[in-house]
Amino acid sequence: DGGITQSPKYLFRKEGQNVTLSCEQNLNHDAMYWYRQDPGQGLRLIYYSQIVNDFQKGDIAEGYSVSREKKESFPLTVTSAQKNPTAFYLCASSTQGRVGTGELFFGEGSRLTVL
Amino acid sequence: AQSVTQLGSHVSVSEGALVLLRCNYSSSVPPYLFWYVQYPNQGLQLLLKYTSAATLVKGINGFEAEFKKSETSFHLTKPSAHMSDAAEYFCAVSGGYQKVTFGTGTKLQVIP
Repeated sequence: DGGITQSPKYLFRKEGQNVTLSCEQNLNHDAMYWYRQDPGQGLRLIYYSQIVNDFQKGDIAEGYSVSREKKESFPLTVTSAQKNPTAFYLCASSTQGRVGTGELFFGEGSRLTVL
Repeated sequence: AQSVTQLGSHVSVSEGALVLLRCNYSSSVPPYLFWYVQYPNQGLQLLLKYTSAATLVKGINGFEAEFKKSETSFHLTKPSAHMSDAAEYFCAVSGGYQKVTFGTGTKLQVIP
């Protein structure tokens, strides 16, 4: 079945550690996105990528980094510079290269907790 | 600039009753509008989308939404609530080349 796979589903981190969240899709989609979800705040865009080897900052990119070396993969690193990293992280993809015009397909999310 | 306002962070309905979740948007260009549903600890799933065709949009699981330009609204309705409809619902707007902006969500509780 085609879809988006995020791993790990749950992750615990000590303060000061970097962690990397994996996102893989086999939908052959051009665009991929990372969102952060906090209770009562909806989804906020961290980074997005419309083609391989290119990505743009979203609304809350500080303390995060990404790479897009393959069309299928868009990993997110939460660095120690992120002041409040505890959150639910969602990866998504879409068929169209133009951000915003197409349906977003989401993974099941990764819940990061900083101890 | 674009934004979405969802009225009511929590809505409770009885099983079999009408579901009405409210969404108002702001967009400087003709908008694309979306409703997504999220079950606990899962990702979001598209319910329906408006892309300037028919103003009444039908989606999955018996949901529909009506685009009203004069009211800048895109409310989500379902004639009869089912227990399985309990979830969080997100309205979203986009202006094409602009990124998608999500509302803060409405949690729907269905009372047996």
